[in-house]
Amino acid sequence: QVQLQESGPGLVKPSETLSLTCTVSGASITTYYWSWIRQPPGKGLEWIGDIYYSGSTTYNPSLKSRVTISVDTSKSQFSLKLSSVTAADTAVYYCARVDAGWLDPWGQGTLVTVSS
Amino acid sequence: QSVLTQPPSVSGAPGQRVTISCTGSNSNIGAAYDVNWYQQLPGTAPKLLIYGSTNRPSGVPDRFSGSKSGTSASLAITGLQAEDEADYYCQSYDSRLSGYVFGTGTKVAVL
Repeated sequence: QVQLQESGPGLVKPSETLSLTCTVSGASITTYYWSWIRQPPGKGLEWIGDIYYSGSTTYNPSLKSRVTISVDTSKSQFSLKLSSVTAADTAVYYCARVDAGWLDPWGQGTLVTVSS
Repeated sequence: QSVLTQPPSVSGAPGQRVTISCTGSNSNIGAAYDVNWYQQLPGTAPKLLIYGSTNRPSGVPDRFSGSKSGTSASLAITGLQAEDEADYYCQSYDSRLSGYVFGTGTKVAVL
C-alpha cells in the first residue's frame, strides 16, 4: 500500500522560504512522477508542480518563479521550496503520486500558515 | 486561477441522482486529455473517484460514474447517500499551461 507523508514547519514568516518534504513508502520513488498541490483555507485545489526521479520538473506557470521541487531517491523523499511567501501562500499543502495523469494516492496534507 | 468550471453546489434527496459538470476548453478537455474526479470529505485529503474520464478505482461504488464529451465532462452520483456529502473536483491536463488543472469544486449536499 502506497503511503505519502508531508512534513515541515507549520508557520513561516512573510518573505521567507517555505520548505516541505514528502516521504514515500510502499512504492519505488523511481517509478512514477510525484506532485505537490495546495489548498488555501476554504478554497479550491491548485497544482504546484511535479518531479521525476531523474530530477526533471514541471511547475505551475503562476508559481514558477518562486518554486523549486527536488528529489532524494536514497531517502524516498521529494521536497518543495517556495520562496518569498506572503499570506496568500497560507494553505494545506499535499503531496501525491502522479499515475498516467491522475493523482493517487495523496498524503494527509499539512497546514502552512504565513504570519509574522 | 482554475481553468475548469464547476457549479458551486448541487443538492438532492437520498436516493436521487445528481450530476456535476466540468467545463473546460480546447487546450484541456477539448484536446482529448482525460478528466479525473476527486472526492474530498470534510477535513480530509482528496481521494481519487474517477480516472481516465470513465474508470472507477477499486473500492469506489458503481453509484459514481464519469463521462466526457467535447470540452466538458460530468460526474453522476446515483442513489445519493448521506455519506456522499463532500466537495468534488475535476482535474485534467492543459497543453497551454503545460501542467495539471483543477476545477473550481462543487459541494454536494444531501437534503
